[in-house]
Amino acid sequence: GAVVSQHPSRVICKSGTSVKIECRSLDFQATTMFWYRQFPKQSLMLMATSNEGSKATYEQGVEKDKFLINHASLTLSTLTVTSAHPEDSSFYICSAWDRMNTEAFFGQGTRLTVV
Amino acid sequence: AQTVTQSQPEMSVQEAETVTLSCTYDTSESDYYLFWYKQPPSRQMILVIRQEAYKQQNATENRFSVNFQKAAKSFSLKISDSQLGDAAMYFCAYTTGGGADGLTFGKGTHLIIQP
Repeated sequence: GAVVSQHPSRVICKSGTSVKIECRSLDFQATTMFWYRQFPKQSLMLMATSNEGSKATYEQGVEKDKFLINHASLTLSTLTVTSAHPEDSSFYICSAWDRMNTEAFFGQGTRLTVV
Repeated sequence: AQTVTQSQPEMSVQEAETVTLSCTYDTSESDYYLFWYKQPPSRQMILVIRQEAYKQQNATENRFSVNFQKAAKSFSLKISDSQLGDAAMYFCAYTTGGGADGLTFGKGTHLIIQP
């Protein structure tokens, strides 16, 4: 099956700094990618939809200025957590939608800890 | 808004036995896809099985099968001959036909396999 690669898998940053998370679709072109957040022992919540060549669409309650999304190519989307605070600590997962196979492929996830 | 409900926070089954995980959903769409994903401790999301709403036949993948009741908006997962490696969180998920809206997940069911 298709592979989606997400990096880094773990990151610790200081409060007030920014962190960038990359999501790459390795063997298919993804015009649409998604970013989810998962708190411990909870489900995945969609944060935003990343569209290649256009602005991301954010879900209600998600601060677009805090969670910057860039989808500059058909294989790469990035999520930048700006001015991170401890409450931003969470598990972030990206996903790419494969239209051909009508299936969502997920990255390995990134555990962000803000100290 | 679409919702996905998993009413069983945790299920336990003896190894080699059969277990059924429940899922109901709410939508006004006629074209959609339903999924069951497995999330082991590594937190990598793994597709277990997929069902297209327009197909009446229930999907089957080896030991995994679904009971798709479209009128009742029910989508349960049956795991036969349970194995220790099946222990994980299981999430039911929904998306519209185009896949452009991302997946909506249920809260998940923690499946425990008793040896």
